[in-house]
Amino acid sequence: GAGVSQSPRYKVAKRGQDVALRCDPISGHVSLFWYQQALGQGPEFLTYFQNEAQLDKSGLPSDRFFAERPEGSVSTLKIQRTQQEDSAVYLCASSLERLAQETQYFGPGTRLLVL
Amino acid sequence: QKEVEQNSGPLSVPEGAIASLNCTYSDRGSQSFFWYRQYSGKSPELIMSIYSNGDKEDGRFTAQLNKASQYVSLLIRDSQPSDSATYLCAVGSNFGNEKLTFGTGTRLTIIP
Repeated sequence: GAGVSQSPRYKVAKRGQDVALRCDPISGHVSLFWYQQALGQGPEFLTYFQNEAQLDKSGLPSDRFFAERPEGSVSTLKIQRTQQEDSAVYLCASSLERLAQETQYFGPGTRLLVL
Repeated sequence: QKEVEQNSGPLSVPEGAIASLNCTYSDRGSQSFFWYRQYSGKSPELIMSIYSNGDKEDGRFTAQLNKASQYVSLLIRDSQPSDSATYLCAVGSNFGNEKLTFGTGTRLTIIP
């Protein structure tokens, strides 16, 4: 079956532009996560949804970052007024249930470059 | 102190030998532990998960967990060049929301 998909795969933005990154989780997966991975670093947690509810947004670095999952499936991560420090790979992951022992399956990521 | 620590490497191992990757974590209440493999430019791929103390084997991979020492390791037997990648240790939150905290990763190179 299809895995987690993300679009666009690559995005170049000028500083100050708004960007929107899309994640299509595996069908039926309840939990959805966004992570940010800087070059040479491990992924860092941004936010977590259980169905349409955003249960944890403690990792969002500033109020310029906003995520939504209005129908409990597709999710969008929006970054307003992008800055150079926002350049990173943004990874989306989904898992079947809300249990801690569920496997998170990662999408291919969106590589964002802010000039 | 980082919550999850790994030696960043690079770790070079001859083909056919055993590669040993180590990870320590700071949150004593953590309950779930994962090893992900990440090839350059690709997304993380789950290799092993472990939840209780002891060893867990899957093919050439063995994960070891010691909660008292807050230590988790991954052994790769009969290392192959295709095992060359960055290995990420991840620890599951014990607060009910299951976010993963990752280490910075260990870059492993298998030398033919």
